[in-house]
Amino acid sequence: QVQLVESGGGVVQPGRSLRLSCAASGFIFSDYFIHWVRQAPGKGLEWVAVISHDGSNKYHADSVEGRFTISRDNSKNTLFLQMNSLTTEDTAIYYCTRPSLEKRLSNELKYWGQGTLVTVSS
Amino acid sequence: DIQMTQSPSSLSAFVGDRVTITCRASQGISNYLAWYQQKPGKVPSLLIYAASTLHSGVPSRFSGSGSGTDFTLTISSLQPEDVATYYCQKYNSAPFTFGPGTKVDIK
Repeated sequence: QVQLVESGGGVVQPGRSLRLSCAASGFIFSDYFIHWVRQAPGKGLEWVAVISHDGSNKYHADSVEGRFTISRDNSKNTLFLQMNSLTTEDTAIYYCTRPSLEKRLSNELKYWGQGTLVTVSS
Repeated sequence: DIQMTQSPSSLSAFVGDRVTITCRASQGISNYLAWYQQKPGKVPSLLIYAASTLHSGVPSRFSGSGSGTDFTLTISSLQPEDVATYYCQKYNSAPFTFGPGTKVDIK
């Protein structure tokens, strides 16, 4: 079955960096776009970034553009989110999510990981 | 960028009531609209995609409609297990913006 397991969260000081990982299994990782979605404590869902199945196309939300970078290693079935210049507003649970269909950017998010909590605090 | 709004932001209804949630896009998105349910303390889950297609395993009391800019999620007979926050999301193109959510609980 499809599994998405995020890791790398923790407590980090403002201005510092953190790299999140998402280990995928149960499907052909290299066939799917993968997204990051986050949720601040007590708040709604915020789409963060998406990467194409082959890594050639990436899109980031304006709120993280220039600070966060999505990437992937298809040989290791792993997705990454490099987060730089973190602020307290980046405090959130970060979810890795996979669409329903292969090689489709415009597709709903069918599978979600359990999330990893990032807390930015001095 | 296209903005997504939802109304109401919260509602309280009796078990068995018909509940309707509205989602509006600031520009047309055809039917590239999904609804997600997030129960308290849980991960979001897909309810409806392509504006009106029920995801596998979702009870038939849920339904979606709309196209273009105006969409609705309807629960025909509210059940205690439907207590959750419901989010719409556009996915025609990036950014894949979510609506602010509608919190549903039982009176």
